[in-house]
Amino acid sequence: DAGVIQSPRHEVTEMGQEVTLRCKPISGHNSLFWYRQTMMRGLELLIYFNNNVPIDDSGMPEDRFSAKMPNASFSTLKIQPSEPRDSAVYFCASSLSPGDTEAFFGQGTRLTVV
Amino acid sequence: QKEVEQDPGPLSVPEGAIVSLNCTYSNSAFQYFMWYRQYSRKGPELLMYTYSSGNKEDGRFTAQVDKSSKYISLFIRDSQPSDSATYLCAIFNQGGKLIFGQGTELSVKP
Repeated sequence: DAGVIQSPRHEVTEMGQEVTLRCKPISGHNSLFWYRQTMMRGLELLIYFNNNVPIDDSGMPEDRFSAKMPNASFSTLKIQPSEPRDSAVYFCASSLSPGDTEAFFGQGTRLTVV
Repeated sequence: QKEVEQDPGPLSVPEGAIVSLNCTYSNSAFQYFMWYRQYSRKGPELLMYTYSSGNKEDGRFTAQVDKSSKYISLFIRDSQPSDSATYLCAIFNQGGKLIFGQGTELSVKP
């Protein structure tokens, strides 16, 4: 398996634009996580899904952020409208089952909003 | 109070030194304690985990949990330049969320 695949690897966009980040989890994994990493705040959990169902989105910073998982092999994180403070590295991770100690991370998407 | 807290460092040591990385956590009900390693511009990878309290050893790495003080540690013996990375502790909270500490940036100088 190729691991967790995220796209794009880098995204530069202007303030106010819509940004969509994509993730393909490892086949057979039932849990999917979206994290955001910054120097100031570290790795923050935004939302996680079990069996394609959002379980906890309390980490989503505001209504500008939304995430979907239409099927077991694809998830998106959307920011609309984007702001400079959204600049960060966004990671997607998947694990075999809820509560599994090992989550496998993608390479991340480095987002810069100017 | 954050559920898990970690000193971000940075920490710089000479090659061969013993490294001690530490975290504190807030809830005595937590049972699983993980250490992830993150190289520059990569995603974190699981290094090792412990269940409940006690020690777990894997080569040069030892993970330790002290539940009485809610303290978790990672020790690296005979540190190598290839150990230079950010080390993140993590816990599963009551809601089943995988929560990370801020990470400690370690640099091992040849």
